[in-house]
Amino acid sequence: GQQLNQSPQSMFIQEGEDVSMNCTSSSIFNTWLWYKQDPGEGPVLLIALYKAGELTSNGRLTAQFGITRKDSFLNISASIPSDVGIYFCAGLSGTGNQFYFGTGTSLTVIP
Amino acid sequence: DAGVIQSPRHEVTEMGQEVTLRCKPISGHNSLFWYRQTMMRGLELLIYFNNNVPIDDSGMPEDRFSAKMPNASFSTLKIQPSEPRDSAVYFCASSFSRGYTDTQYFGPGTRLTVL
Repeated sequence: GQQLNQSPQSMFIQEGEDVSMNCTSSSIFNTWLWYKQDPGEGPVLLIALYKAGELTSNGRLTAQFGITRKDSFLNISASIPSDVGIYFCAGLSGTGNQFYFGTGTSLTVIP
Repeated sequence: DAGVIQSPRHEVTEMGQEVTLRCKPISGHNSLFWYRQTMMRGLELLIYFNNNVPIDDSGMPEDRFSAKMPNASFSTLKIQPSEPRDSAVYFCASSFSRGYTDTQYFGPGTRLTVL
């Protein structure tokens, strides 16, 4: 079943603000991925993280692989209207080699 | 490249009917994934193929669900008989390499409604 919990569940922010969201697990994960899903479409990969402590950026997006290997964080700087969508974490568990998607964070950017 | 192609985009059927969802992965990709997305359960991995062979089908809900990949360019997900609780958006994704963590490219999804 579902092992990845994301928070917050939803966010409403003003254009230009920074955004932070996180993903947590009760068990260790070996890989963390962050995807974005636009309405009516499939998810698109944003960032992949492969080792504890890793910090990776993709434009205005920055993601980190938590030191405990049980969490990951995604930050978006200077948000713009096209950042609207649902952000999912996904990961490969350290036990059992299972792949899971998180519960999602819905982001609304108010112009 | 056209990306991952799924058909139909929308399917409405009655309980008890057979439903077949189709997927054409990106040419040259070796892995194919089927997912189900609902509000209650989020995105769930149903089955993963590598080189047309099912590697992990632990996410397939029950015997009513079956998936095949007869060749590298085509896969089907079949539900028989369908039930209202099967209503969801079903996504197909493909990736170049073996495993879950290589970039998966998702199709547009099939929205299934079972009445």
